[in-house]
Amino acid sequence: DIQMTQSPSTLSASVGDRVTMTCRASQNIRGWLAWYQQKPGKGPKLLMYEASKLISGVPSRFSGSGSGTEFTLTIKSLQADDFATYYCQYYKGYSAFGGGTKVEIK
Amino acid sequence: DVQLDESGGGLVQPGGSLRLSCAASGFTFSRYEMNWVRQAPGKGLEWVSYISSSGSRVYYADSVRGRFTISRDNADNSLYLQMDSLRVEDTALYFCARVSSPNSYDISTTYYVPYPFDFWGQGSLVYVSS
Repeated sequence: DIQMTQSPSTLSASVGDRVTMTCRASQNIRGWLAWYQQKPGKGPKLLMYEASKLISGVPSRFSGSGSGTEFTLTIKSLQADDFATYYCQYYKGYSAFGGGTKVEIK
Repeated sequence: DVQLDESGGGLVQPGGSLRLSCAASGFTFSRYEMNWVRQAPGKGLEWVSYISSSGSRVYYADSVRGRFTISRDNADNSLYLQMDSLRVEDTALYFCARVSSPNSYDISTTYYVPYPFDFWGQGSLVYVSS
C-alpha cells in the first residue's frame, strides 16, 4: 500500500509569512495528490487536486507543486484564517492521507 | 445543496458490531463514487473504504479489511459501513465523503480519471470500549 508522509508535523508562523510544507509518497503516484485544510471540530475542506489545481473559491495565496513522490503546499502570505491542519491525500480508488501539518501561531 | 448525513454511531464493546449509514441528498447519488474516512480523537485522517458508483467495486484499508463491509443503496441514496469485530483502536469519528466528479469509466480501465473528495458529512462517533 502507498504511504504518505508529511513534514513538518507542526509549523509555527506569523501572519504574512510564507510557509511551505512537504508531502512524500512511498511510491510514484504521478499527480494524484490533493490537499485539505481542517479546522477543529470541522470536516476537511478540499483546497487543491492533481497536485497544483486550485479549487474554485480557494484564495490564490495557496499553491501546490510536485509530481511522482514529492509534493509541496505553499501559502504565500499567511492569513489569520489559515491557521489549521493541512493534509495531503493520494486518491485513486485506494486512498491514503498524510499525518498532517499543523500550522500554529508563532 | 449537497448534504451527507451520517448516523448509527455509538458506544460498543470490543468484538461488537455497528452499522453506519450516510444519507445523501442534493445530487444524483448513483453517479458518484463514495468513501468512508475516520479520524481518531486528536489524530489525523485515515481512509477506510471506497465503493464505486454501481457498488460493484470496493476497496478497504488493511486495518479494516475482513472486518468492515461497505455497501450502498442507490434507490435510497444511502451509503453504509457494516463494522464487525470492533476493536478499541476503531474508536473514531467516521465521515462519509463524496468523490468530486462522476466517472464514466470503471476504475480498472485506463480511461478512469481519479478525483478527490469534495463533500464530507459531519461525522458519526464510534466509541469502542468495555
